[in-house]
Amino acid sequence: GENVEQHPSTLSVQEGDSAVIKCTYSDSASNYFPWYKQELGKGPQLIIDIRSNVGEKKDQRIAVTLNKTAKHFSLHITETQPEDSAVYFCAASGTGNQFYFGTGTSLTVIP
Amino acid sequence: GAVVSQHPSRVICKSGTSVKIECRSLDFQATTMFWYRQFPKQSLMLMATSNEGSKATYEQGVEKDKFLINHASLTLSTLTVTSAHPEDSSFYICSATLTGQGSGYTFGSGTRLTVV
Repeated sequence: GENVEQHPSTLSVQEGDSAVIKCTYSDSASNYFPWYKQELGKGPQLIIDIRSNVGEKKDQRIAVTLNKTAKHFSLHITETQPEDSAVYFCAASGTGNQFYFGTGTSLTVIP
Repeated sequence: GAVVSQHPSRVICKSGTSVKIECRSLDFQATTMFWYRQFPKQSLMLMATSNEGSKATYEQGVEKDKFLINHASLTLSTLTVTSAHPEDSSFYICSATLTGQGSGYTFGSGTRLTVV
C-alpha cells in the first residue's frame, strides 16, 4: 500500500517568515494530495489540495507543489501569522476512497 | 461546503461501560465514512471504513467486537466502544467523502474519550 512520509515533525518560524513542509509518497497511482490543518482538540480541516495533473496550486498565502516524477509534494505558507500555528498533515489518495496520512508537522509561528 | 457533525465532543466513562459516538453528514450523503483514532502528537490511524448498509471494514489489529460500527443511513455512522478500558482513552475522529476517489475528506470535530 501507500507510504507517506512527512518532514519536519516540528517547525518554528518567526512571524512573517515562510514555512515549508515536505511529503513523499510511494504509490505512483496516487493522484490526489490534500493538506489538512489540525488545531488542538479539533478535527483536521482541508486547507488546500492538488491533483496529479497539476504541478502547483496557490490560494492566498498557501501553495502546494507536486513533483510526480520524484513522488513528492510540499506545502508552502508565506507571511506566516500566529494563527497559522497548528499541526499540518499531508495525505495521498489510495485505493477506493482511502487516504494515507503523513505523520504530521507541528508548526509554531513566533510573534 | 460539506459539513460533518460529530458528537459528543468529550465523554468520560467508567471502565466496563460502553460509549457511542455519532458522525453525521449534514448537507450531503456519505456512502462511506471513516473512523480514525489519534494519540497525542501522533497522526491519524485508520480504524475502519464504514459502508452504508453493509458491514464495516476494519484495519488490521482493530478489534471489531470492541469497536462496533453501524452505518444505517447515508448520513449517519456510529462507533460504539464496548466494555471500555483506560487504554481506549483517545481522540476519535470520523470523516466522510462527498464523492468517490479524487475528493478530499471532511472531518468531524473529534471526540475526546476518557475512560476512568
